[in-house]
Amino acid sequence: NAGVTQTPKFQVLKTGQSMTLQCAQDMNHEYMSWYRQDPGMGLRLIHYSVGAGITDQGEVPNGYNVSRSTTEDFPLRLLSAAPSQTSVYFCASSTSGSSYNEQFFGPGTRLTVL
Amino acid sequence: AQSVTQLGSHVSVSEGALVLLRCNYSSSVPPYLFWYVQYPNQGLQLLLKYTSAATLVKGINGFEAEFKKSETSFHLTKPSAHMSDAAEYFCAVSGGTSYGKLTFGQGTILTVHP
Repeated sequence: NAGVTQTPKFQVLKTGQSMTLQCAQDMNHEYMSWYRQDPGMGLRLIHYSVGAGITDQGEVPNGYNVSRSTTEDFPLRLLSAAPSQTSVYFCASSTSGSSYNEQFFGPGTRLTVL
Repeated sequence: AQSVTQLGSHVSVSEGALVLLRCNYSSSVPPYLFWYVQYPNQGLQLLLKYTSAATLVKGINGFEAEFKKSETSFHLTKPSAHMSDAAEYFCAVSGGTSYGKLTFGQGTILTVHP
């Protein structure tokens, strides 16, 4: 199993550009989520999905869009990039949305918005 | 609502010394508590979790944590630090109908000196 994979590893954007961060998992997990990591702030939840076709907002959803058309994939779209979105983005998955389940994290995408 | 406070953004110990990383939580429902470790330029890896089965939880790499409800704490310890333990450590909480949403602390960077 590859686990949770994310592409790209690094990305530089200009303000106003759009892009999609890719996330895929091969563990047949129902639950997937996106977090952003900023220094001194830990990780904050952006969006999550409890299954194909079902998504919901997390703590910091503004400026981001998600969809879940398959169990395996959960892309994160930046609609119009802003410098405040400079961060490291992590995708995670778990077997279900039960609160006690371990979440498996991808290696991250480091995004810089100029 | 849930929150996590990690006391000390940086902790420095000598190799062979006790490691103690502090975590206090707030939760209006019975919590599930997690410790994750992040090595440089990598994703997060689960060290251990508390899911109400036992208050003393043993994890990987010799780490353990004790859930103390009266103190709302879940401190992480290791009797003897190794150089390979140098990393950033995150405490996280979930519970109730949070659907797997993790609320993270700010993180603690552990430095191990020879």
